[in-house]
Amino acid sequence: NAGVTQTPKFQVLKTGQSMTLQCAQDMNHNSMYWYRQDPGMGLRLIYYSASEGTTDKGEVPNGYNVSRLNKREFSLRLESAAPSQTSVYFCASSFYKGNQPQHFGDGTRLSIL
Amino acid sequence: KQEVTQIPAALSVPEGENLVLNCSFTDSAIYNLQWFRQDPGKGLTSLLLIQSSQREQTSGRLNASLDKSSGRSTLYIAASQPGDSATYLCAVMNYGGSQGNLIFGKGTKLSVKP
Repeated sequence: NAGVTQTPKFQVLKTGQSMTLQCAQDMNHNSMYWYRQDPGMGLRLIYYSASEGTTDKGEVPNGYNVSRLNKREFSLRLESAAPSQTSVYFCASSFYKGNQPQHFGDGTRLSIL
Repeated sequence: KQEVTQIPAALSVPEGENLVLNCSFTDSAIYNLQWFRQDPGKGLTSLLLIQSSQREQTSGRLNASLDKSSGRSTLYIAASQPGDSATYLCAVMNYGGSQGNLIFGKGTKLSVKP
């Protein structure tokens, strides 16, 4: 009963380093999402994938890239990490982009020094 | 631009009380509204989804209402329990080019005291 699995759970990076956050879902969902959650800002959408093979920018895409590897997996890459990207990152999925509830992973807590 | 506001930011009640959490949004052209629960250090759990054509949804002790014309939703929790302590988030989904994108409020942190 895994649902949405995110790895790693915690990570500390130095400014300028790169890393990829991994997300996988086992619910046969078509749509997947990446959000960031910052104190006082709420959750904001970074990128989403409405279906396998498509990706689109959300509200705050600058500094990030994504890959929808297959129907199950959607990764988020920071090419050159900056302190402003210190945040908690959540991956979510739903059957379709639209009138379906989204299911969230437990998050990746990322600190950039 | 759609904005979602939740008031109060924090709420503390004794166990057994009925309570109401409020959510307001600035653009009434929404596709749906969703309520989530977030426990510390965890992701979000979907509680209720109200479609734009609906007035309310119920699940157990939870009842969510939607008034699109006034841009408001409420989440009613009956007979609160300490296990209800969490942050409750409201999110709206707009029509149009960004359909499917959720816009979140900042949440109400609820503490239910035994």
